[in-house]
Amino acid sequence: QKEVEQNSGPLSVPEGAIASLNCTYSDRVSQSFFWYRQYSGKSPELIMSIYSNGDKEDGRFTAQLNKASQYVSLLIRDSQPSDSATYLCAVNNLDSSYKLIFGSGTRLLVRP
Amino acid sequence: DADVTQTPRNRITKTGKRIMLECSQTKGHDRMYWYRQDPGLGLRLIYYSFDVKDINKGEISDGYSVSRQAQAKFSLSLESAIPNQTALYFCATSDPAGQNGELFFGEGSRLTVL
Repeated sequence: QKEVEQNSGPLSVPEGAIASLNCTYSDRVSQSFFWYRQYSGKSPELIMSIYSNGDKEDGRFTAQLNKASQYVSLLIRDSQPSDSATYLCAVNNLDSSYKLIFGSGTRLLVRP
Repeated sequence: DADVTQTPRNRITKTGKRIMLECSQTKGHDRMYWYRQDPGLGLRLIYYSFDVKDINKGEISDGYSVSRQAQAKFSLSLESAIPNQTALYFCATSDPAGQNGELFFGEGSRLTVL
């Protein structure tokens, strides 16, 4: 079982819709959770981090964490074509707080 | 100018050749990392370094070596390149005093081994 799992997609949504990206992780001691966005041919960039159960909102982005169920999700409201990218989920824990474990990413396509 | 700079950006080489990928950063971060990215496999950690005297293997270090020449410089070497090392390589930095887990990536080095 992979440590961090994501559906590879592509997830296709129309412009203006809500895109929902999901990620599950296997290590129960995981402490910190991150969403990186990567445009094709570019480097990843951090868009959200979340550390405690519940929701965290930043503009059009909302990260949701449920440690009991070991999943973290990213919602993108009012999706725009410019949101089309691969979204990488990353996790670390106290034992290796220096090291992020990345999922393989979900490709999002926002149709105009 | 980019805060984390990788050279070369693209390289095509032949099996058995020695290749060095270089990374330099102006962020003043102590921690530096080398990752490789393959389609469908995400980012995998090759080596990481917390300071000039500290080098650690990541999950896929076989076939690679690194050198931390200075706080700002971290190089990745492939002593004898093989085709399955064809990948996109990223250097990254992080600040232990900053937001936990945020990595700052270079623009990537695309390596093709024929």
